[in-house]
Amino acid sequence: GENVEQHPSTLSVQEGDSAVIKCTYSDSASNYFPWYKQELGKGPQLIIDIRSNVGEKKDQRIAVTLNKTAKHFSLHITETQPEDSAVYFCAARGSNTGNQFYFGTGTSLTVIP
Amino acid sequence: KAGVTQTPRYLIKTRGQQVTLSCSPISGHRSVSWYQQTPGQGLQFLFEYFSETQRNKGNFPGRFSGRQFSNSRSEMNVSTLELGDSALYLCASSFWAGVTYEQYFGPGTRLTVT
Repeated sequence: GENVEQHPSTLSVQEGDSAVIKCTYSDSASNYFPWYKQELGKGPQLIIDIRSNVGEKKDQRIAVTLNKTAKHFSLHITETQPEDSAVYFCAARGSNTGNQFYFGTGTSLTVIP
Repeated sequence: KAGVTQTPRYLIKTRGQQVTLSCSPISGHRSVSWYQQTPGQGLQFLFEYFSETQRNKGNFPGRFSGRQFSNSRSEMNVSTLELGDSALYLCASSFWAGVTYEQYFGPGTRLTVT
């Protein structure tokens, strides 16, 4: 099956700086890559996603890039704010695995005011 | 549209007991997946149901089971609870949004086994 690795596991940035979280996947058939934000006591919330036929997608301060050849994708958060502090998960869904999603181990982001 | 709802939100059980958790997906979503989330193992896939049929199953023992009803609501059951079953159990509902298959999570049920 698919294997998703996520780095770093923890990340601290000053408010206003950028944060980058990286994930790699193993199954070249994976074709959909969502990112989730999980705040304390809540379920993961879908914040942005990208399909395998797209190299980059942006939504306000959040962007995701995908390199299919290298099998890695990244989440970029610019102008970070304290409310961005949360755990972020990447995931991959492959066409060979039915509709099952495989998740990274999470990155705990702390934005220091 | 209302989001994914899960009941109960918190549960405390004793080893050896069984537990049933409930999930109502977003209206119109026919697929429901269940995940176990623990600090050590992260998000682990339990199973997925679509139109009352189990479509995928993760690597969990047979003590973990589920079902889906005709209105897409789903339940998962854990029998003979063990201490290691303490976790946040997340339900997610999914649908095809054009060419992407999107998944949305509920708030989870926090299960504590003592």
